[in-house]
Amino acid sequence: AQRVTQPEKLLSVFKGAPVELKCNYSYSGSPELFWYVQYSRQRLQLLLRHISRESIKGFTADLNKGETSFHLKKPFAQEEDSAMYYCARTHASKSPTQGGSEKLVFGKGTKLTVNP
Amino acid sequence: DTGVSQDPRHKITKRGQNVTFRCDPISEHNRLYWYRQTLGQGPEFLTYFQNEAQLEKSRLLSDRFSAERPKGSFSTLEIQRTEQGDSAMYLCASSPHGSKPNTGELFFGEGSRLTVL
Repeated sequence: AQRVTQPEKLLSVFKGAPVELKCNYSYSGSPELFWYVQYSRQRLQLLLRHISRESIKGFTADLNKGETSFHLKKPFAQEEDSAMYYCARTHASKSPTQGGSEKLVFGKGTKLTVNP
Repeated sequence: DTGVSQDPRHKITKRGQNVTFRCDPISEHNRLYWYRQTLGQGPEFLTYFQNEAQLEKSRLLSDRFSAERPKGSFSTLEIQRTEQGDSAMYLCASSPHGSKPNTGELFFGEGSRLTVL
């Protein structure tokens, strides 16, 4: 079965400190990896995708196929980064951009709190 | 607001009753997904549609659950003879699969929270 593991349920850092949210995924095919975020009282929304290799709100995530990891990092956390973060992978080996489905397998999430 | 909308936002029902949730996707999106999220868990896939065709159903979707998307626009998720274990947040998401830009992104609604007493 496809799995996504986020080992930390809770993560607390101080403003300005670096933050890393860990994510490991089960190896199967060539999945696409995503980070979704849910701010307080808001809907779940995409933060970033591994294939775009972009930095969003200062966050980056590098896909490490050898370690099957996709950790989310930010060098200087801000209070507005406090939220639930979910790592997700596509279920099928065929990516959505290649015609596969957007059916995702999510991790259990990490609640990030950035203290002032 | 042109995002995904879900109704009702919160439903409290007694065990054994039937409930129905509605999802209106972003208008130009042809794929619609239903997920379920329980406390402390990430969203779990239930089923998805491409236009009016239901392409896949999870084993989580017992025979008490039925989803429809009759005209390829809005969708309904019905749960018959509800059980306490059905208590969860039911999330709907849509995607513009097959049309540009197709980034693989899912656009989520705010969810419908079900409480079964």
